[in-house]
Amino acid sequence: EVQLVQSGAEVKKPGEFLKISCKGSGYSFPNYWIGWVRQMPGKGLEWMGIIYPNDSNTRYSPSFQGQVTMSADKSISTAYLQWSSLKASDTAMYFCAKRGNWNYDFWGQGTLVTVSS
Amino acid sequence: QSALTQPASVSGSPGQSITISCTGTSSDVGGYNYVAWYQQHPGEAPKLMIYDVRYRPSGVSNRFSASKSGNTASLTISGLQAEDEADYYCSSYTSSSTQWVFGGGTKLTVL
Repeated sequence: EVQLVQSGAEVKKPGEFLKISCKGSGYSFPNYWIGWVRQMPGKGLEWMGIIYPNDSNTRYSPSFQGQVTMSADKSISTAYLQWSSLKASDTAMYFCAKRGNWNYDFWGQGTLVTVSS
Repeated sequence: QSALTQPASVSGSPGQSITISCTGTSSDVGGYNYVAWYQQHPGEAPKLMIYDVRYRPSGVSNRFSASKSGNTASLTISGLQAEDEADYYCSSYTSSSTQWVFGGGTKLTVL
């Protein structure tokens, strides 16, 4: 059974560092792209970017380029999303999702990030 | 403003059919047969319901069907059930630097 399990909810202050994780199982993790999607409170889905765990090739949406960093450790089937300096506007639910051919066929349960002073 | 345009809300009674539209451009919906639809219940992750314009993943009810004409894709849900009440998002691959775009989402209410 394909599963993506994300790390737990985080409460951080503006300016702090944060790295959240997404662990895959039930499939060949290195060989499928993992995408990240943001959902701000009460809003829709926004595609942030995608990473190929086998070689860490990454592609970012222009809206998120320079704002976040995606990485992966294929040895432990885990992808990461990190911020070097959080802002209040980063408060959102973040989903990781396994890319099928031209869709996202399995999703993590989401990680709620709250940034507040 | 989202790249793909969906109605904010639709509603229908149990047993009825509803259709949700998703309008893009020739750079996304119209240019590729890579439209997908996702269902999201409150507090849950999105679930893939349709891929490649019209195909249902294993386990998805055949009450869900979809199509595309030009720059507009459509999702139809027939025989509405209470459990269908959710938010629905379309998405498409795009030739722009964004790579993937979502619609703004449509809230389906089953009356």
